Amino acid sequence: IAGITQAPTSQILAAGRRMTLRCTQDMRHNAMYWYRQDLGLGLRLIHYSNTAGTTGKGEVPDGYSVSRANTDDFPLTLASAVPSQTSVYFCASSDSLQGNEQFFGPGTRLTVL
Amino acid sequence: GQNIDQPTEMTATEGAIVQINCTYQTSGFNGLFWYQQHAGEAPTFLSYNVLDGLEEKGRFSSFLSRSKGYSYLLLKELQMKDSASYLCAVMDSNYQLIWGAGTKLIIKP
Repeated sequence: IAGITQAPTSQILAAGRRMTLRCTQDMRHNAMYWYRQDLGLGLRLIHYSNTAGTTGKGEVPDGYSVSRANTDDFPLTLASAVPSQTSVYFCASSDSLQGNEQFFGPGTRLTVL
Repeated sequence: GQNIDQPTEMTATEGAIVQINCTYQTSGFNGLFWYQQHAGEAPTFLSYNVLDGLEEKGRFSSFLSRSKGYSYLLLKELQMKDSASYLCAVMDSNYQLIWGAGTKLIIKP
């Protein structure tokens, strides 16, 4: 692994289903983030984690949950998907919450029907 | 509320210079970032400004005026591979990045 990986690359999901997007980094970064990117809008922060064992809410957290059991992994779960959650999801990491640069994973394109 | 404004789209010619502007209103300021994002790909870091002035990095430069809530990204000697979206983002008082919608730059031969 080099950098950040995300899985799956893309997914079509029926409304009401549960879905977990996976994110793994091998840079030993303390901080990790989940964003969604929608056409015509800037990236919006869903949840973040300052360090393993802690998480926080971003701008658009409703309908999503995260966990940070260890440094490397930061999964994002949609408990009951709705069509408005159709988006491209990016995971990112940085050395710290105050870090100068965030490194992004390749993204997951999610469609909820 | 917090707001980042940048033009939706710009067109420039290969070999020329282009300036992409960004204005912001945020609760607190802990630096301004520029990222490049090619279509279908992840954003990649270009520059970071926290003090007023110009930061130069090869063909790319970024300028910041905190008193005016203004930044620009200057791209020189444009190449076709510079066709991408350029994202402006400000780190607010909670150390969260507030992102603009991005400027799509189209380079013509």
